[in-house]
Amino acid sequence: DAGVTQSPTHLIKTRGQQVTLRCSPKSGHDTVSWYQQALGQGPQFIFQYYEEEERQRGNFPDRFSGHQFPNYSSELNVNALLLGDSALYLCASSLSGTRSRQYFGPGTRLTVT
Amino acid sequence: KQEVTQIPAALSVPEGENLVLNCSFTDSAIYNLQWFRQDPGKGLTSLLLIQSSQREQTSGRLNASLDKSSGRSTLYIAASQPGDSATYLCAGTGNQFYFGTGTSLTVIP
Repeated sequence: DAGVTQSPTHLIKTRGQQVTLRCSPKSGHDTVSWYQQALGQGPQFIFQYYEEEERQRGNFPDRFSGHQFPNYSSELNVNALLLGDSALYLCASSLSGTRSRQYFGPGTRLTVT
Repeated sequence: KQEVTQIPAALSVPEGENLVLNCSFTDSAIYNLQWFRQDPGKGLTSLLLIQSSQREQTSGRLNASLDKSSGRSTLYIAASQPGDSATYLCAGTGNQFYFGTGTSLTVIP
């Protein structure tokens, strides 16, 4: 049974560029949440997708957007990259929302130069 | 807004010692509380999940408790091993998932 997978593993972008990160949830899970983790900090909730809709959103600007596909996989898009967007981006999957156990992927390390 | 605090920020213990990690949260209206382990540069591994109706959960050498009324959770690790060295994060679930900043644990052989 495959766990949560994310791609790519590492990414280097330049300020002002756009980036797309991808996540495939654990088999049987229908909810995907995205988090940003800066160095030395706990993860910060970006948003959650369920039934292809954004259900909850944290305190992140509109430059951060996402999408969930019919197979429950998800993408995180960040436009107009800033140096401060450099972080580990984590995807978590769960069954029907945040009340159930969340399983995390290995993350995508984004570096903005 | 939910605030989650973890104390201590860092802890170093000799192998074999029992230890307690603390997590406190400001909003008692949480659905559950989850403890995670994170190795450097890696994703999070779920350790224990305590539902709001439960008081504690156990898995092997780990035991987590939850006291919603006081806004506190503890993770007890028995007979610590060098392989337990990692950052331990707690997270409370309300409408979102709120993480603490973690406790960095080093177990010295």
